[in-house]
Amino acid sequence: DSGVTQTPKHLITATGQRVTLRCSPRSGDLSVYWYQQSLDQGLQFLIQYYNGEERAKGNILERFSAQQFPDLHSELNLSSLELGDSALYFCASSVAPRANSPLHFGNGTRLTVT
Amino acid sequence: AQKVTQAQTEISVVEKEDVTLDCVYETRDTTYYLFWYKQPPSGELVFLIRRNSFDEQNEISGRYSWNFQKSTSSFNFTITASQVVDSAVYFCALSEKGGSNTGTASKLTFGTGTRLQVTL
Repeated sequence: DSGVTQTPKHLITATGQRVTLRCSPRSGDLSVYWYQQSLDQGLQFLIQYYNGEERAKGNILERFSAQQFPDLHSELNLSSLELGDSALYFCASSVAPRANSPLHFGNGTRLTVT
Repeated sequence: AQKVTQAQTEISVVEKEDVTLDCVYETRDTTYYLFWYKQPPSGELVFLIRRNSFDEQNEISGRYSWNFQKSTSSFNFTITASQVVDSAVYFCALSEKGGSNTGTASKLTFGTGTRLQVTL
């Protein structure tokens, strides 16, 4: 158990809808990351937060947004969903946003857009 | 830009065989970090090891060993006496330190993964 909690585990929704994925980092970790895993794109970095502030953006679509709250949990909001957004979304956390910090991943949220 | 290549898409071995998973990386940084993660059928990503670019010592942990060679930009992973429970997708990943000491993003760039199937 990595200590990173993601909810929900599964989400099925229709095109055009909006969903929110939630992540609680490991106790003591201040940095949160979101990754998308799909068959065609592999594991893609979306966005990173550190102590409530956005630190880096990867291949995150404009329809997607995220935030980290004062209690350090994070939410990833996906809107105007398309079939291609179906994927496994991982949250990860680390103590600090340093390159040598291992990321500890949650179990992921599997999103299916129909 | 950093890049990680795992040329082996899928490997099948019989239990007790040794197997090596290859990882080749590209980076312009002199300081970087390499990682291996395991993704079992249940789906979670499990951290296995981190290696610093300035430490080329090989590492052994039980049946797992890692061979880091800067000269060939490779960070290969060997499982000795494989077991069915080793069946998973294994990802190699790279993180660059960059030019900042203030703790910039430590995003990992992942390879495409190698699916290892161990059968009886």
